[in-house]
Amino acid sequence: QQQVKQSPQSLIVQKGGIPIINCAYENTAFDYFPWYQQFPGKGPALLIAIRPDVSEKKEGRFTISFNKSAKQFSLHIMDSQPGDSATYFCAGNTGNQFYFGTGTSLTVIP
Amino acid sequence: GAVVSQHPSRVICKSGTSVKIECRSLDFQATTMFWYRQFPKQSLMLMATSNEGSKATYEQGVEKDKFLINHASLTLSTLTVTSAHPEDSSFYICSARAPVPGTVEAFFGQGTRLTVV
Repeated sequence: QQQVKQSPQSLIVQKGGIPIINCAYENTAFDYFPWYQQFPGKGPALLIAIRPDVSEKKEGRFTISFNKSAKQFSLHIMDSQPGDSATYFCAGNTGNQFYFGTGTSLTVIP
Repeated sequence: GAVVSQHPSRVICKSGTSVKIECRSLDFQATTMFWYRQFPKQSLMLMATSNEGSKATYEQGVEKDKFLINHASLTLSTLTVTSAHPEDSSFYICSARAPVPGTVEAFFGQGTRLTVV
């Protein structure tokens, strides 16, 4: 059972656009929601994370919007650049376990 | 952030042989490390949780006799793929939780691409 559902599977935007990746979860025990960025052949790297008591968090060009009542959260990338082209994973955490979304392949066209 | 180093980054082995992958926490002690497997264009699948000084906890469907995990020290966990077969070819990734109060961040190694021929 997929505990965290992520969409879209792939996304193509022009440079400067604002790609949005959405995730939904069911487990209300999740208390930490990170986003990871993964380049081909590399391990995931933590990008930004949020706790459910906050509705929005911004770090540089990356923003997480969190809707606790809807059990949804999303990643926005402002002024996207070709170097942002990667696969992005959302996750939910409870205790010692991380549950990952299925990933979104983002391509930013110059 | 904390650094997790994984070695080797790529390995090719013959069918029937065993391969060992190392995962080290370089600047912190990790009582728990995690091993994931990732197929092309797919998400990370948790294989097992490695606990220092005790037996690893395997996820359902993961053969513990095939994927041997040893966590002998607070900075090193190893995954040994025994009697490897072509279907074991995959990208294996480890992660560790940094023991920073108030945080649950997980840091990932750079992954190991295993190809069994």
